[in-house]
Amino acid sequence: NAGVTQTPKFRVLKTGQSMTLLCAQDMNHEYMYWYRQDPGMGLRLIHYSVGEGTTAKGEVPDGYNVSRLKKQNFLLGLESAAPSQTSVYFCASSRDYTDTQYFGPGTRLTVL
Amino acid sequence: RKEVEQDPGPFNVPEGATVAFNCTYSNSASQSFFWYRQDCRKEPKLLMSVYSSGNEDGRFTAQLNRASQYISLLIRDSKLSDSATYLCVVNPTGRRALTFGSGTRLQVQP
Repeated sequence: NAGVTQTPKFRVLKTGQSMTLLCAQDMNHEYMYWYRQDPGMGLRLIHYSVGEGTTAKGEVPDGYNVSRLKKQNFLLGLESAAPSQTSVYFCASSRDYTDTQYFGPGTRLTVL
Repeated sequence: RKEVEQDPGPFNVPEGATVAFNCTYSNSASQSFFWYRQDCRKEPKLLMSVYSSGNEDGRFTAQLNRASQYISLLIRDSKLSDSATYLCVVNPTGRRALTFGSGTRLQVQP
C-alpha cells in the first residue's frame, strides 16, 4: 500500500529555473495539500485542492502554481525558482478537511 | 499573533519521566484538534485526535480546554523512541484546511 508518494525526493535548481513536483495518492482522497517546511517555521500551506479540477490558495501561495487534473495526482509548479523557495515540500491527502492527513516523504529542494 | 503557538523546546527528559506540552490557538471557533508526531527529516504522522472530553491512547493523554483555548499532550513513562517533534494541529472554522504549529521538540535521554 503506497499511500502518498512524492517525486522527486531531492532536487537542486538554479535561480530562474522551473520544475514540477508530483504528488500521488492511492487512497481515493478528495482533499490534497502542498506544504513547505522551513526551520523554526513549521508547516505552511501553499495550495490545496478539495477535489478533482479544483485548487485554492493557502497561506503562502506566491511563486507557486498547482493543478489537479486527476483525483489521485496533485502537481506543484515553480515557474521561476528563487533561493527563498529552498525548503522541504510535503504533500498530504485526506478524506475530508477535518480528517487525518496522510503525508508523503517530502521533497528537499535547494535553489542556488 | 500566530494561529497556533507552541513552546519549541527542546524538552530534555530521562527515560521513564512524565512530560507535558501545551499548545494555544487563537480562533475560538476552531472545531478539530490533533497532535502529530514528526521524526527528524521525516513526514508528520498522526499521533492522536483531541476530543472535548479528553482522550487517552496508551501512555499518551490529550486534553482540550476551550475556555482558555489550549490543548495539551501528556506522555507518561517516556521511552527513547518518543524522541521527536510534536506538532499541535487545529482546524480553524471557515477554512478547509488544518493549521500546524511549529512543534515542540522532545529528547528522551537514557
